[in-house]
Amino acid sequence: AQSVTQLGSHVSVSEGALVLLRCNYSSSVPPYLFWYVQYPNQGLQLLLKYTSAATLVKGINGFEAEFKKSETSFHLTKPSAHMSDAAEYFCAVVPPGTDKLIFGTGTRLQVFP
Amino acid sequence: DGGITQSPKYLFRKEGQNVTLSCEQNLNHDAMYWYRQDPGQGLRLIYYSQIVNDFQKGDIAEGYSVSREKKESFPLTVTSAQKNPTAFYLCASSTKGSGFGEAFFGQGTRLTVV
Repeated sequence: AQSVTQLGSHVSVSEGALVLLRCNYSSSVPPYLFWYVQYPNQGLQLLLKYTSAATLVKGINGFEAEFKKSETSFHLTKPSAHMSDAAEYFCAVVPPGTDKLIFGTGTRLQVFP
Repeated sequence: DGGITQSPKYLFRKEGQNVTLSCEQNLNHDAMYWYRQDPGQGLRLIYYSQIVNDFQKGDIAEGYSVSREKKESFPLTVTSAQKNPTAFYLCASSTKGSGFGEAFFGQGTRLTVV
């Protein structure tokens, strides 16, 4: 079954450091891919999405992700972490030909001063 | 304002009781979803619906039921058959088909069995 794998349930960085959150998908056909962010006790908010146009996708709050078909990856990056980036981040996929939105297990990002 | 509303925010259930979680959207979205969130397990899909009067089981449908009588509404019933219902429940809606877009989420309902 189509799924996404997020490597690392917790990531810690210093303020100003690079943020890298990893996501790999399992499909021979590129699916729709998404990154969402969740703040405590709230719903999820879309950061960015890949829908087969540009492979480098820019999102809100300075985040971006690069779709790499050869690596079946869609890693999320931000050049310089801010304290307000501390949250849980979810990678999600919509398998081709479906409307079924499937999430990874999430990565909690901590940002230290 | 357009959006998706879940109620109540907190819900307490006695063992053996059925409870219904409400989800309403005014975004004119065709697709709606229910997820369960547990620490360390991400969001797991319970049920989803692509059109009125039709819905499909997700990965963990046992012990849950849904209805989709109106486009705007997708209530979830947690039945007594669900053995471990304590969790955070999230409802979402989106456009569907080849133009799949952003999924909008409600603020969630935290269900606790007492």
